[in-house]
Amino acid sequence: DSGVTQTPKHLITATGQRVTLRCSPRSGDLSVYWYQQSLDQGLQFLIQYYNGEERAKGNILERFSAQQFPDLHSELNLSSLELGDSALYFCASSVDSSGMQRLYEQYFGPGTRLTVT
Amino acid sequence: DAKTTQPTSMDCAEGRAANLPCNHSTISGNEYVYWYRQIHSQGPQYIIHGLKNNETNEMASLIITEDRKSSTLILPHATLRDTAVYYCIVRVGETSGSRLTFGEGTQLTVNP
Repeated sequence: DSGVTQTPKHLITATGQRVTLRCSPRSGDLSVYWYQQSLDQGLQFLIQYYNGEERAKGNILERFSAQQFPDLHSELNLSSLELGDSALYFCASSVDSSGMQRLYEQYFGPGTRLTVT
Repeated sequence: DAKTTQPTSMDCAEGRAANLPCNHSTISGNEYVYWYRQIHSQGPQYIIHGLKNNETNEMASLIITEDRKSSTLILPHATLRDTAVYYCIVRVGETSGSRLTFGEGTQLTVNP
C-alpha cells in the first residue's frame, strides 16, 4: 500500500460525458502528479501540482483539467470524453523537501480505470 | 533527460538473482538513475535510485558503473511476485517540475 488513494476504481461512461477522478496523496506530500496509461501510448505524464499550484504540464488535452485543493487532495476533470480517452489514470505524490532528488521518488495510487463507450 | 535503453524482456528462475541492465550513455553529471516497476495494471512502484555510488535497500541493489553510462538493478532472490515491467529512468533533481518519463521498460518474468 503506497498510501495514495484514488477513487473511483472503475468508471464506465459514454462519449461526450464529463467525469472527475479524485486522488488523496500520502500524508505530508505536497506534490501530486497525474499520469495516463493507455495501451498504445504507455505511461504519460499529464500534470503536476505542488501545494495547490500548477507546477508542470505534460501532454494534457485542453478537455482535461486538474486542481489541487487546500487539503492537498487533487481532482482530474475529463470532459467531452472520446473513445480514445479510455485508459488507466494514475495519481502519484512525492515529498518536497530539501532533498530534490526525492521528487522523483514518487508513490503511485492504484489507478482509476476509465472506459468510454 | 538522458535516454535509456533496456532489453525488452528477460526471464529468471525463482530464487535466483535477477540482473536488469540499463544503458544511459548520455547521462549528465547531475542526473540520477531511478528504477520503478509496474506489476500488471497496478500503479508503478518506486524501487531505488542512485547517483554514482552503489545503493541497496530492502527491495534491490543498484550498481552504477564508474563512468555512469550504465547501471544494473539486482533483485537478489527473485520470486514470482517480482514478475513485472521494470523501468529505468534518468532525471535531474530539480524543483521546477519533476515528471517521470517512462520508456518501454523490461518485462521480467520469474519462472517457477
